Amino acid sequence: SAVISQKPSRDICQRGTSLTIQCQVDSQVTMMFWYRQQPGQSLTLIATANQGSEATYESGFVIDKFPISRPNLTFSTLTVSNMSPEDSSIYLCSVEAGGAETQYFGPGTRLLVL
Amino acid sequence: LAKTTQPISMDSYEGQEVNITCSHNNIATNDYITWYQQFPSQGPRFIIQGYKTKVTNEVASLFIPADRKSSTLSLPRVSLSDTAVYYCLVVGANDYKLSFGAGTTVTVRA
Repeated sequence: SAVISQKPSRDICQRGTSLTIQCQVDSQVTMMFWYRQQPGQSLTLIATANQGSEATYESGFVIDKFPISRPNLTFSTLTVSNMSPEDSSIYLCSVEAGGAETQYFGPGTRLLVL
Repeated sequence: LAKTTQPISMDSYEGQEVNITCSHNNIATNDYITWYQQFPSQGPRFIIQGYKTKVTNEVASLFIPADRKSSTLSLPRVSLSDTAVYYCLVVGANDYKLSFGAGTTVTVRA
């Protein structure tokens, strides 16, 4: 199993600002993923981050809004840029769990944009 | 990705068995059925996965009929701490894109 931590666990931000969320895993993994979970909703995949390559974004998500870094096999960051209240969500990172069809999730970062 | 359909919510009492049925009529030959559990303010947690027949672990059992168009997650003797949202997913082998539906909110009462 993998142990995943995220920082910050929560934050309140002003519109127009940006927030960078960190995801740290206790073992080396090839694939890391970023999800968004809006209030009362299910999870939506934002992008896949592989070390040494550009992140792959899902439909509806763009790099300018959600830039991602993946500097090594245990760490990734997601930045939520130029935030608006609609960005208020829980942001979760996950990693592959041996088989690509199962994943371990971090505890999430709860973001409120005012 | 195969679409899944599961009940929005289920209520139960401590000590009872909870069975959540998920429909996935368009499941493909190489798809696996995977269930995740999510507690409030936490990320989802993988609980069980199966391809056909029955799979059991320390947390739950997963029953899959021969046609694989549905599956049933069985939680034996639930406790208050089993109150959570349970997601049924159908995922292809080596397919990393997890598609989460609305899930089933299970509420266990004393």
